[in-house]
Amino acid sequence: DTEVTQTPKHLVMGMTNKKSLKCEQHMGHRAMYWYKQKAKKPPELMFVYSYEKLSINESVPSRFSPECPNSSLLNLHLHALQPEDSALYLCASSQADRGVGTGELFFGEGSRLTVL
Amino acid sequence: QQPVQSPQAVILREGEDAVINCSSSKALYSVHWYRQKHGEAPVFLMILLKGGEQKGHEKISASFNEKKQQSSLYLTASQLSYSGTYFCGTEALSGNTPLVFGKGTRLSVIA
Repeated sequence: DTEVTQTPKHLVMGMTNKKSLKCEQHMGHRAMYWYKQKAKKPPELMFVYSYEKLSINESVPSRFSPECPNSSLLNLHLHALQPEDSALYLCASSQADRGVGTGELFFGEGSRLTVL
Repeated sequence: QQPVQSPQAVILREGEDAVINCSSSKALYSVHWYRQKHGEAPVFLMILLKGGEQKGHEKISASFNEKKQQSSLYLTASQLSYSGTYFCGTEALSGNTPLVFGKGTRLSVIA
């Protein structure tokens, strides 16, 4: 199984809502990532979890809250988002060993978020 | 720091060749190449590591010039299926810096 599964595929939420994006992989990868991608732009790193610990937070606003319940799951909790947060949110995983670079990233299909 | 990709866009006829370049102002540990088709997730093509190397993947190959901190992606005898946006990603040699993607090169292959 070389898949990264993301749910939901589409999400529409109001600025006062609380929602979560979910990501799952069963490849035994110990690094998991959240990226944000706007139309015609490259993926922009938000968070990295390594061995279930948050290792990188790219100065993301606190209205985005990541969580890694176990080595296979990654969540992104959303609260009080702004319309400019509308984007494709991509989850990825890699077999990155500690201190040896990122390695091949396996991306999920993404969750397309619209904030009204 | 974001790597610089060129060209921004290219249109090819089937069977033609193309080169996409990626350069960084920082000493690099690795260069990654991904392709993303419209409405889909990015898909890994290859990684090139410090030490300067060349890799091949079907009719797509890449080189990494460590002295110049530049990488090039070579697409030969292009097929319609090669259409998409190609992103290079770079990891700096120093510090715990994550992979940073360039702005992408949009490749369109027409019949």
